[in-house]
Amino acid sequence: EVQLVESGGGLVQPGGSLRLSCAASGFTFSSYWMTWVRQAPGKGLEWVANIKQDGSEKHYVDSVKGRFTIFRDNAKNSLYLQMNSLRAEDTAVYHCARLWSTRIDVFDFWGQGTKVTVSS
Amino acid sequence: DIQMTQSPSSLSASVGDRVTITCRASQSISSSLNWYQQKPGKAPKLLIYVASSLQSGVPSRFSGSGSGTDFTLTISSLQPEDFATYYCQQSYSSWTFGQGTKVEIK
Repeated sequence: EVQLVESGGGLVQPGGSLRLSCAASGFTFSSYWMTWVRQAPGKGLEWVANIKQDGSEKHYVDSVKGRFTIFRDNAKNSLYLQMNSLRAEDTAVYHCARLWSTRIDVFDFWGQGTKVTVSS
Repeated sequence: DIQMTQSPSSLSASVGDRVTITCRASQSISSSLNWYQQKPGKAPKLLIYVASSLQSGVPSRFSGSGSGTDFTLTISSLQPEDFATYYCQQSYSSWTFGQGTKVEIK
Protein backbone atom coordinates (compact mmCIF):
# COMPACT_ATOMS: atom_id res chain seq x y z
CA GLU A 1 0.00 0.00 0.00
CA VAL A 2 1.36 3.38 -0.99
CA GLN A 3 1.74 5.69 2.00
CA LEU A 4 2.95 9.27 2.20
CA VAL A 5 3.27 10.84 5.64
CA GLU A 6 4.20 14.49 6.03
CA SER A 7 5.70 16.11 9.12
CA GLY A 8 7.50 19.25 10.20
CA GLY A 9 4.74 21.81 10.05
CA GLY A 10 4.07 24.35 12.77
CA LEU A 11 3.84 28.00 13.72
CA VAL A 12 6.64 30.24 12.45
CA GLN A 13 7.14 34.00 12.37
CA PRO A 14 7.28 35.93 9.10
CA GLY A 15 10.78 35.72 7.70
CA GLY A 16 11.43 32.44 9.46
CA SER A 17 12.29 29.00 8.12
CA LEU A 18 10.80 25.54 8.30
CA ARG A 19 11.68 22.17 6.80
CA LEU A 20 8.91 19.77 5.85
CA SER A 21 9.45 16.05 5.43
CA CYS A 22 7.49 13.36 3.63
CA ALA A 23 8.14 9.70 4.41
CA ALA A 24 7.21 7.37 1.57
CA SER A 25 6.50 3.65 1.69
CA GLY A 26 4.81 0.93 -0.34
CA PHE A 27 6.48 1.77 -3.66
CA THR A 28 9.91 2.23 -5.21
CA PHE A 29 10.44 5.85 -4.19
CA SER A 30 13.49 6.38 -6.39
CA SER A 31 11.45 5.59 -9.53
CA TYR A 32 9.06 8.53 -9.26
CA TRP A 33 9.00 12.28 -9.56
CA MET A 34 7.60 13.74 -6.36
CA THR A 35 5.72 16.94 -5.69
CA TRP A 36 4.49 19.34 -3.01
CA VAL A 37 1.01 20.85 -3.23
CA ARG A 38 -0.42 23.32 -0.72
CA GLN A 39 -3.88 24.40 0.33
CA ALA A 40 -4.40 27.73 2.07
CA PRO A 41 -7.22 27.90 4.64
CA GLY A 42 -10.57 27.74 2.88
CA LYS A 43 -8.88 27.81 -0.51
CA GLY A 44 -8.13 25.42 -3.35
CA LEU A 45 -5.05 23.45 -4.22
CA GLU A 46 -1.83 25.02 -5.50
CA TRP A 47 1.12 23.12 -6.94
CA VAL A 48 4.36 24.25 -5.24
CA ALA A 49 7.33 22.21 -6.50
CA ASN A 50 8.40 19.00 -8.26
CA ILE A 51 11.61 16.99 -8.21
CA LYS A 52 12.89 14.35 -10.60
CA GLN A 53 13.76 10.82 -9.51
CA ASP A 54 17.48 11.52 -9.02
CA GLY A 55 17.04 15.11 -7.83
CA SER A 56 18.68 16.52 -10.97
CA GLU A 57 15.65 18.51 -12.11
CA LYS A 58 13.37 20.71 -10.03
CA HIS A 59 10.48 23.04 -10.80
CA TYR A 60 8.81 25.67 -8.63
CA VAL A 61 5.77 27.90 -8.75
CA ASP A 62 6.88 31.51 -9.26
CA SER A 63 5.70 32.65 -5.81
CA VAL A 64 8.22 30.43 -3.99
CA LYS A 65 11.22 30.60 -6.33
CA GLY A 66 14.35 31.64 -4.44
CA ARG A 67 12.73 30.95 -1.07
CA PHE A 68 11.78 27.25 -1.13
CA THR A 69 13.99 24.29 -2.02
CA ILE A 70 12.71 20.80 -2.77
CA PHE A 71 15.10 17.90 -2.28
CA ARG A 72 15.00 14.17 -1.61
CA ASP A 73 16.96 11.33 -0.04
CA ASN A 74 16.24 8.14 -1.96
CA ALA A 75 18.18 6.05 0.57
CA LYS A 76 15.72 7.18 3.23
CA ASN A 77 12.63 7.18 0.95
CA SER A 78 12.06 10.76 1.96
CA LEU A 79 11.08 14.03 0.31
CA TYR A 80 11.73 17.44 1.82
CA LEU A 81 10.76 21.07 1.39
CA GLN A 82 13.04 23.69 2.88
CA MET A 83 11.05 26.89 3.28
CA ASN A 84 12.91 30.15 3.98
CA SER A 85 11.80 33.78 4.18
CA LEU A 86 8.29 32.64 5.00
CA ARG A 87 5.38 34.99 4.44
CA ALA A 88 1.83 35.08 5.77
CA GLU A 89 0.59 33.94 2.36
CA ASP A 90 2.58 30.70 2.73
CA THR A 91 0.17 29.63 5.47
CA ALA A 92 -1.37 26.38 4.25
CA VAL A 93 -1.58 22.65 4.61
CA TYR A 94 1.29 21.17 2.60
CA HIS A 95 0.72 17.81 0.92
CA CYS A 96 3.34 15.64 -0.71
CA ALA A 97 2.21 13.58 -3.68
CA ARG A 98 3.60 11.02 -6.07
CA LEU A 99 3.78 12.11 -9.68
CA TRP A 100 2.81 9.33 -12.08
CA SER A 101 3.87 10.05 -15.63
CA THR A 102 1.42 8.20 -17.84
CA ARG A 103 0.31 9.98 -21.04
CA ILE A 104 0.22 13.08 -18.87
CA ASP A 105 1.41 13.93 -15.35
CA VAL A 106 -0.95 12.76 -12.63
CA PHE A 107 -0.67 13.15 -8.85
CA ASP A 108 -1.85 9.62 -8.07
CA PHE A 109 -1.20 9.31 -4.33
CA TRP A 110 -1.22 12.04 -1.72
CA GLY A 111 -0.41 12.41 1.94
CA GLN A 112 -2.83 14.00 4.41
CA GLY A 113 -0.64 17.02 4.83
CA THR A 114 1.15 19.05 7.46
CA LYS A 115 -0.06 22.48 8.54
CA VAL A 116 2.17 25.53 8.30
CA THR A 117 1.11 28.79 9.93
CA VAL A 118 3.14 31.94 9.33
CA SER A 119 2.17 34.56 11.87
CA SER A 120 3.68 36.90 14.43
CA ASP B 1 -0.29 30.52 -17.06
CA ILE B 2 -3.29 28.33 -17.77
CA GLN B 3 -6.31 29.16 -15.61
CA MET B 4 -8.88 26.51 -14.71
CA THR B 5 -12.45 27.56 -13.90
CA GLN B 6 -14.93 25.16 -12.38
CA SER B 7 -18.69 25.54 -12.20
CA PRO B 8 -20.64 25.56 -10.09
CA SER B 9 -18.59 26.46 -7.00
CA SER B 10 -21.05 24.46 -4.93
CA LEU B 11 -24.18 22.44 -5.41
CA SER B 12 -26.78 20.67 -3.31
CA ALA B 13 -27.97 17.26 -4.40
CA SER B 14 -29.75 14.20 -3.08
CA VAL B 15 -28.61 10.61 -2.92
CA GLY B 16 -29.34 9.02 -6.28
CA ASP B 17 -29.10 12.27 -8.25
CA ARG B 18 -27.01 12.64 -11.38
CA VAL B 19 -24.39 15.33 -10.80
CA THR B 20 -22.34 17.16 -13.41
CA ILE B 21 -19.39 19.45 -12.73
CA THR B 22 -17.71 21.41 -15.48
CA CYS B 23 -14.16 22.66 -15.84
CA ARG B 24 -12.96 25.15 -18.43
CA ALA B 25 -9.34 25.87 -19.34
CA SER B 26 -8.18 29.32 -20.44
CA GLN B 27 -6.52 27.73 -23.48
CA SER B 28 -6.57 24.33 -25.13
CA ILE B 29 -5.01 21.61 -22.98
CA SER B 30 -5.85 18.65 -25.24
CA SER B 31 -6.81 15.84 -22.81
CA SER B 32 -4.34 16.82 -20.08
CA LEU B 33 -7.00 17.00 -17.39
CA ASN B 34 -7.38 15.13 -14.10
CA TRP B 35 -10.13 15.10 -11.46
CA TYR B 36 -9.64 14.70 -7.70
CA GLN B 37 -11.98 14.26 -4.75
CA GLN B 38 -11.19 15.69 -1.33
CA LYS B 39 -13.02 15.21 1.96
CA PRO B 40 -12.44 17.53 4.92
CA GLY B 41 -9.10 16.89 6.61
CA LYS B 42 -8.21 14.14 4.16
CA ALA B 43 -5.77 13.72 1.30
CA PRO B 44 -7.07 14.40 -2.20
CA LYS B 45 -7.89 11.24 -4.13
CA LEU B 46 -7.40 10.75 -7.86
CA LEU B 47 -10.63 9.86 -9.65
CA ILE B 48 -10.13 10.46 -13.37
CA TYR B 49 -6.97 11.06 -15.44
CA VAL B 50 -6.38 12.03 -19.06
CA ALA B 51 -9.91 13.47 -19.07
CA SER B 52 -11.77 10.16 -19.15
CA SER B 53 -9.70 7.30 -17.70
CA LEU B 54 -11.03 5.91 -14.43
CA GLN B 55 -8.38 5.41 -11.76
CA SER B 56 -8.15 1.87 -10.42
CA GLY B 57 -10.55 1.26 -7.55
CA VAL B 58 -12.80 4.24 -8.31
CA PRO B 59 -16.49 3.32 -8.70
CA SER B 60 -17.85 3.28 -12.24
CA ARG B 61 -20.51 5.86 -11.36
CA PHE B 62 -17.75 8.43 -11.86
CA SER B 63 -16.95 9.40 -15.42
CA GLY B 64 -15.11 12.16 -17.22
CA SER B 65 -15.31 13.63 -20.68
CA GLY B 66 -14.07 16.50 -22.80
CA SER B 67 -11.01 17.77 -24.61
CA GLY B 68 -9.54 21.08 -25.62
CA THR B 69 -10.94 23.63 -23.17
CA ASP B 70 -14.16 22.09 -21.83
CA PHE B 71 -14.38 19.11 -19.52
CA THR B 72 -17.03 17.41 -17.42
CA LEU B 73 -17.06 15.16 -14.36
CA THR B 74 -20.29 13.20 -13.95
CA ILE B 75 -21.50 11.16 -10.99
CA SER B 76 -24.29 9.01 -12.36
CA SER B 77 -26.00 8.23 -9.07
CA LEU B 78 -24.77 10.20 -6.06
CA GLN B 79 -23.94 8.11 -3.01
CA PRO B 80 -23.55 9.29 0.61
CA GLU B 81 -19.78 8.89 0.45
CA ASP B 82 -19.58 11.19 -2.58
CA PHE B 83 -20.31 14.37 -0.64
CA ALA B 84 -16.97 16.12 -0.95
CA THR B 85 -15.10 18.81 -2.87
CA TYR B 86 -13.98 18.05 -6.41
CA TYR B 87 -11.05 19.65 -8.21
CA CYS B 88 -9.96 19.58 -11.82
CA GLN B 89 -6.26 19.93 -12.64
CA GLN B 90 -4.42 20.55 -15.90
CA SER B 91 -1.03 18.99 -16.64
CA TYR B 92 -0.53 20.49 -20.11
CA SER B 93 1.73 23.32 -19.01
CA SER B 94 2.96 23.22 -15.45
CA TRP B 95 0.18 22.13 -13.09
CA THR B 96 -2.82 24.20 -12.02
CA PHE B 97 -6.09 23.37 -10.28
CA GLY B 98 -9.60 24.66 -10.50
CA GLN B 99 -11.04 26.40 -7.46
CA GLY B 100 -13.11 23.38 -6.48
CA THR B 101 -16.77 22.36 -6.46
CA LYS B 102 -18.31 21.45 -3.12
CA VAL B 103 -21.05 18.83 -3.36
CA GLU B 104 -23.40 19.08 -0.38
CA ILE B 105 -26.40 17.14 0.83
CA LYS B 106 -29.75 18.61 -0.17
